[in-house]
Amino acid sequence: AQKITQTQPGMFVQEKEAVTLDCTYDTSDPSYGLFWYKQPSSGEMIFLIYQGSYDQQNATEGRYSLNFQKARKSANLVISASQLGDSAMYFCAMREKGYNTDKLIFGTGTRLQVFP
Amino acid sequence: DAGVIQSPRHEVTEMGQEVTLRCKPISGHDYLFWYRQTMMRGLELLIYFNNNVPIDDSGMPEDRFSAKMPNASFSTLKIQPSEPRDSAVYFCASRDPGNEKLFFGSGTQLSVL
Repeated sequence: AQKITQTQPGMFVQEKEAVTLDCTYDTSDPSYGLFWYKQPSSGEMIFLIYQGSYDQQNATEGRYSLNFQKARKSANLVISASQLGDSAMYFCAMREKGYNTDKLIFGTGTRLQVFP
Repeated sequence: DAGVIQSPRHEVTEMGQEVTLRCKPISGHDYLFWYRQTMMRGLELLIYFNNNVPIDDSGMPEDRFSAKMPNASFSTLKIQPSEPRDSAVYFCASRDPGNEKLFFGSGTQLSVL
């Protein structure tokens, strides 16, 4: 079963506008972590933001914020004031911690294109 | 800090040849992960180590793949014999005990002809 679901293969946004990238997850563990990574065309994986399952407030990092809705099992990434340099693939990921496991599982990604 | 270092950046080889990918994690990080990225399958976790011990290798596709971590500063992923369907970008990543964040290397682009 898919544990991390990103339903938007591609998104377009105009420069300076805000955009939301969707992510839903599935886990029965009470303790987990949610991440967003950016992968520009150069290929490197860049950490953007992290949300712990017990965190009371939504995580923010500069122009990035994570809209964490625990009951709905969603962890959407909001990018405010988009810039041309935000054009990239964006991956949502979940850290699974169990008795004998501690690993990061990735979604299929969303390609964001920012246009002038 | 130099970050996670992977070598080579690019590898082109012929089917049937042995391929060895190398990774040096960030000093002090006790977790090391190997991922494979393809268009069809996205980012797949192949194997990960904790304190040099393999913990979960359920993502390793088949016996042609093997990974080792002889010490805290070095890991290898070996494919023998390689096949065209192994063509992908292979990422190594590491994490330290007190941090949630996974640090990725630049990846190795593998092309098997």
